[in-house]
Amino acid sequence: DQQVKQNSPSLSVQEGRISILNCDYTNSMFDYFLWYKKYPAEGPTFLISISSIKDKNEDGRFTVFLNKSAKHLSLHIVPSQPGDSAVYFCAAGAAGGYQKVTFGTGTKLQVIP
Amino acid sequence: DVKVTQSSRYLVKRTGEKVFLECVQDMDHENMFWYRQDPGLGLRLIYFSYDVKMKEKGDIPEGYSVSREKKERFSLILESASTNQTSMYLCASSFPLRAPRTEAFFGQGTRLTVV
Repeated sequence: DQQVKQNSPSLSVQEGRISILNCDYTNSMFDYFLWYKKYPAEGPTFLISISSIKDKNEDGRFTVFLNKSAKHLSLHIVPSQPGDSAVYFCAAGAAGGYQKVTFGTGTKLQVIP
Repeated sequence: DVKVTQSSRYLVKRTGEKVFLECVQDMDHENMFWYRQDPGLGLRLIYFSYDVKMKEKGDIPEGYSVSREKKERFSLILESASTNQTSMYLCASSFPLRAPRTEAFFGQGTRLTVV
């Protein structure tokens, strides 16, 4: 049972345009969400997070939006740069003592120069 | 800088061997995790630990065990390696999710091939 889903395995975007990566979850206990970026042959690195008390969090070119009623979050990258080409994973967890973090299947973003 | 170090980048083992994957972190994190990454399946949690000697099963614990005798070290053990355990293994550590900084830091991964 996939509790965190990224339905788009890949995405191609022109440099300078907006990249939108989507993530859906099914477990209503999740109240903390994170995005990670992964280059080949490296471990994932943290990008941005959001807790369920917010619906938006921004960090430079990266913004995460959370729609709790739809159990949906998205990562916006504006403007997209070739160095953003990587696999992006969303992850979800429950902060109330339950430490397990569940990852999605990932979306491979290609930013075309 | 936070550092999570996995003992090997690449390993080749024979079917039936007992395999140890070691992970060490230097940030005094309470939580440590073992994931495996497979194409099309993302990162799947094998086991996690929220304290010394404490462990919890993840989503795919079958065929694996773990050991956490010291806070900084978390070992993954493949009791009898099988070819379907060929994968990229990733160790991670973090503070508890309720802490101000909650993101996990990952090691560079161990590419394990079982022949």
